[in-house]
Formats: sequence, structure tokens, C-alpha cells
Amino acid sequence: DAKTTQPNSMESNEEEPVHLPCNHSTISGTDYIHWYRQLPSQGPEYVIHGLTSNVNNRMASLAIAEDRKSSTLILHRATLRDAAVYYCILKETSGSRLTFGEGTQLTVNP
Amino acid sequence: DAGVTQSPTHLIKTRGQQVTLRCSPKSGHDTVSWYQQALGQGPQFIFQYYEEEERQRGNFPDRFSGHQFPNYSSELNVNALLLGDSALYLCASSWPDRNYGYTFGSGTRLTVV
Repeated sequence: DAKTTQPNSMESNEEEPVHLPCNHSTISGTDYIHWYRQLPSQGPEYVIHGLTSNVNNRMASLAIAEDRKSSTLILHRATLRDAAVYYCILKETSGSRLTFGEGTQLTVNP
Repeated sequence: DAGVTQSPTHLIKTRGQQVTLRCSPKSGHDTVSWYQQALGQGPQFIFQYYEEEERQRGNFPDRFSGHQFPNYSSELNVNALLLGDSALYLCASSWPDRNYGYTFGSGTRLTVV
């Protein structure tokens, strides 16, 4: 499984944008980039995914570098409820498992 | 619309015992995956079931087995429990297209004493 690298932790202030980086230099041409987050005492929650183009949904935006070796999850206005561990995962089109790393612990300050 | 439902929410077992955890997938989903999450770590893939068959398996011993029923619900069985099996067990469901997001349940917290 291709590996991703994320910072262990990040901090943000409430109502400010947050940019969560992820490096995946060994990504293959068919790997999708998925983001999940896990709030305390809950299971992971799907956030967004993409292949080559930037993606937007109601939760976040995903910016993918042109060479696909890195990506950034963007939360446009952080709230206290966004405090969670964020996981960046490469998912094979032919495979079906999610390989979680240690993720980024996001702290949102009021 | 109910999401993924797991039962029980908490469980305490003794070493050497056997345990069965249950999962009902989100409505419309027919693929179920199981993950183990130790404290402070990311979830680790155990196996996935589709059309009542194990389709893919992670690096877990044969003590871990599963089953999927015709209504797509699933069970995870762990035999000969070890202290190291203490973890949060998560069930995730999805549609057949493997590149949609997965929906996770809140998990079963298993403690082996």
C-alpha cells in the first residue's frame, strides 16, 4: 500500500481556514486520495476524495498538486466540532481496503 | 436514514474466551469491512465481505473470522482471546463501487482481562 505522510498535530483558531497537508510521493496513477476524520469516541467519518482535479463538497475542499505527490484538505471556517484526527489515505482502484496512518490531530481554539 | 449499527457497544471478556460482534450496514450498502483500532493508533483492516464471501483480508491470524448474511449484515468472531485483542472494533459499509467513501459505525469497545 502506498504511504502518506502527515504532520502529527496542527492548531487553528475558530472561524479561520485550516489547511491540512499530506505527502504521498509514491502514489500510483490509479490511486484515489481519500480523507477521513475521527472525532473522539466515534468511528472515522468520510470527508472527501479525489483523483486528479480539485474537489469541493459541503464539508471541505481537496486541493491536489499537479504531480499528485501531495494534497491539502481545506476546512474553510474551522469550528470547535472540527477538532478531530484527520487521515489522508491512498485507495487503490482495484483494492478495497483503507490503510490508515497516524493522521493529524487538529486542535481548534475558541 | 440509519447509518452503520454495531452491537454491543462495550464488552468485557476473559482471556481464552470467544466473542462475536455484530454489524448492520447502512441501507443500500452491500459490502462490509471490519477494522481493529488499538488505543492511540489508526484503524487496521481485518477483512471485507461481499456477497457473503470474504473478499480481502488483512494481516490478522485465523482466530479472527467473519460472516455475512443474505441481508448484508455481518459478524466478526474472535477465538482464544488474548489481552492484545483489546481494542475498538469498527465496521464500515459501502456500495459496490469501491471508490465511494465508506460509512463507519461507532464501534464495539472490547476489553480482554
